[in-house]
Amino acid sequence: DAGVIQSPRHEVTEMGQEVTLRCKPISGHDYLFWYRQTMMRGLELLIYFNNNVPIDDSGMPEDRFSAKMPNASFSTLKIQPSEPRDSAVYFCASSKTVYEQYFGPGTRLTVT
Amino acid sequence: AQSVTQLGSHVSVSEGALVLLRCNYSSSVPPYLFWYVQYPNQGLQLLLKYTTGATLVKGINGFEAEFKKSETSFHLTKPSAHMSDAAEYFCAVSGGSARQLTFGSGTQLTVLP
Repeated sequence: DAGVIQSPRHEVTEMGQEVTLRCKPISGHDYLFWYRQTMMRGLELLIYFNNNVPIDDSGMPEDRFSAKMPNASFSTLKIQPSEPRDSAVYFCASSKTVYEQYFGPGTRLTVT
Repeated sequence: AQSVTQLGSHVSVSEGALVLLRCNYSSSVPPYLFWYVQYPNQGLQLLLKYTTGATLVKGINGFEAEFKKSETSFHLTKPSAHMSDAAEYFCAVSGGSARQLTFGSGTQLTVLP
């Protein structure tokens, strides 16, 4: 299995621009999670989906953030407009059971 | 509600020495407990997990952890550190059927030659 795939691995953009992060979960996993990791706040759960339906988006910081999962094999996290404080590593994870989540390699976002 | 406290944001050990990384949790329901490892510029990888049953769980790379309900602890140990163990380690908890993981703030392990 290829594992969780995220793209791009690195993204540098200017403040005010739209950013789209992409994730392909492991085939057969019906849960998908988006996390953000920063030095100041550690790992934060932003949103998670079950069977393509958003279940809990209480971690999404602002309306500038949105996430979609149009099908079982693809999800996006969009930030519009981006701000310097959004700079972080964004992880996608998927799971089939309640017991463990498999993480992707992350997208390092830098907003200048 | 759940929370995790990892004592010590940085731990240094000599190669061959015992590794002990501390984790205490809080959960209003019987917890599922996890340790993840993160190598530089990589995602998190599951080391081991406790769900039910035997309280001493063994994971990959020679790590193990013991669930102690009375102490609300889930400390991670390895008898002999290797240089390749240098990484950041995260303890996490989920409660009952909840799918969300609550992570601790992480412990950076340095292994000295």
